[in-house]
Amino acid sequence: QVQLVQSGAEVKKPGASVKVSCKASEYTFSNFYIHWVRQAPGQGLAWMGIFHPSGGSTYNAQKFEGRVTMTRDTSTTTVYLELSSLRSEDTAVYYCAVGALLGPFDSWGQGTLVSVSS
Amino acid sequence: DIQMTQSPSTLSASVGDRVTITCRASQSISTWLAWYQQKPGKAPKLLISKASSLESGVPSRFSGSGSGTEFTLTISSLQPDDFATYYCQQYNSYWTFGQGTKVEIK
Repeated sequence: QVQLVQSGAEVKKPGASVKVSCKASEYTFSNFYIHWVRQAPGQGLAWMGIFHPSGGSTYNAQKFEGRVTMTRDTSTTTVYLELSSLRSEDTAVYYCAVGALLGPFDSWGQGTLVSVSS
Repeated sequence: DIQMTQSPSTLSASVGDRVTITCRASQSISTWLAWYQQKPGKAPKLLISKASSLESGVPSRFSGSGSGTEFTLTISSLQPDDFATYYCQQYNSYWTFGQGTKVEIK
């Protein structure tokens, strides 16, 4: 069973940035893709983008283009999602999930709540 | 972008009922469709991939069918553990989720 462990909850002010981490096993880091999905309170799931940990390539959903950056730390097999210019509508649980390039999401992290409030 | 539409949004049912959820795609996605189950405060769990392929460990009361633009998730005999929200997801062109169907106790 693939395990993804995410960082803890964050509280941010509007206009700030947040960086959420997702730690994977070496095997997952080297062989799969990491997706980011967010879920606003009481709402559905929204795909944000895909990241290839071993190669470093990324693709962001159009809605988040320009505000999302995905990076990695190969020494700790950790992937990061950074979201900038935060607004109240960005309050959500952010999940990382793992899958093959052209497949569904086989396993998910536990989620990270990001709250944006002045 | 491919849009996914689920119906109904909420479904009230009793233990033992047969339950069917429908998912429609705005264009053909062949069988590149997955179903997830999500319980409150938890991450989604993959139930079915490629429209009808049951994931390991998922009870056989769950089944999926369809191709092209219309898909269904069926629970043959609803169990107490099945009360949750279900999402479809297309992965034919990037990834898009349906808006979800909440299965609640009648």
